[in-house]
Amino acid sequence: EIVMTQSPATLSVSPGERVTLSCRASQSISSNLAWYQQKPGQAPRLLIFAASTRATGLPARFSGSGSGTEFTLTISSLQSEDFAVYYCQHYNNWPPTWTFGQGTKLEIK
Amino acid sequence: QVQLVESGGGVVQPGRSLSLSCSPSGFTFSNYAMHWVRQAPGQGLEWVALISYDGTTKYYADSVKGRFTISRDNSKNTLFLHMSSLTTDDTAMYYCTRAPNLYGGSFSDYWGQGTLVTVSS
Repeated sequence: EIVMTQSPATLSVSPGERVTLSCRASQSISSNLAWYQQKPGQAPRLLIFAASTRATGLPARFSGSGSGTEFTLTISSLQSEDFAVYYCQHYNNWPPTWTFGQGTKLEIK
Repeated sequence: QVQLVESGGGVVQPGRSLSLSCSPSGFTFSNYAMHWVRQAPGQGLEWVALISYDGTTKYYADSVKGRFTISRDNSKNTLFLHMSSLTTDDTAMYYCTRAPNLYGGSFSDYWGQGTLVTVSS
C-alpha cells in the first residue's frame, strides 16, 4: 500500500510570501498526483493533476512539480483566499488506487 | 456548470442502514465514472468507492467493503451509496465526486458539497 506523507502539518505564513508544500510517496507513483484545496465548511477543490497540470481557471500563482516520490505545490504570492488545507492524492488506473495525504494547513502568520 | 448535489444524510443508529444519493447536472452523467469520498469530523479525506460510467465496474475501500454498495441509474441521472452495518467510524461528511474518465482511475475534478452522516445511539 502506498502511503502519502505531507509536510509540514501546519505552515504559518504572511500574505504575499512564497510558500512550498511537500508531499512524499512511499514508493514511486510516476506523475499520478493531484492537489486539492479545502476551505472551512467547503468541499475540496481540484487544483493540480498529473503532478503539474493546473485545473481550469486556477490562478497562475499555483504550480505543481515533481515525479516519482517527491512532489511540491508552490504558491508564488499568497493571497488571503489561499489560507486553507491542502491535500495531495495519489491515483492509479490499475490496480485502482486512491490515497490521500493527511493535509497541510496553511494559516495566517 | 457542473454541479453535484448529495442528499440522504442524517443520524442513524449503529448497525442500521442508510442510503445516500447524488444528483448531477451540467454534464452528461453517463459519460463519467463517479466516486464517493468521506471526511470524518476534523479529519482528512478518505476515498470510499468508485463506479464506472456504465455501472459494470465497482471498487471499494477495505474499510467499507462488504458493507457499502455503490450504484448508479443513468436513466435517472443519479448516483447512490447504500451503507449497511454502520458503525461510529462511518460518521463523516460524504462527498460525491466526478472522475474525468470512464473507469475512474484518476483524480476527482468536481465535488459536491457533501451530506453528513452521523452514526450514534
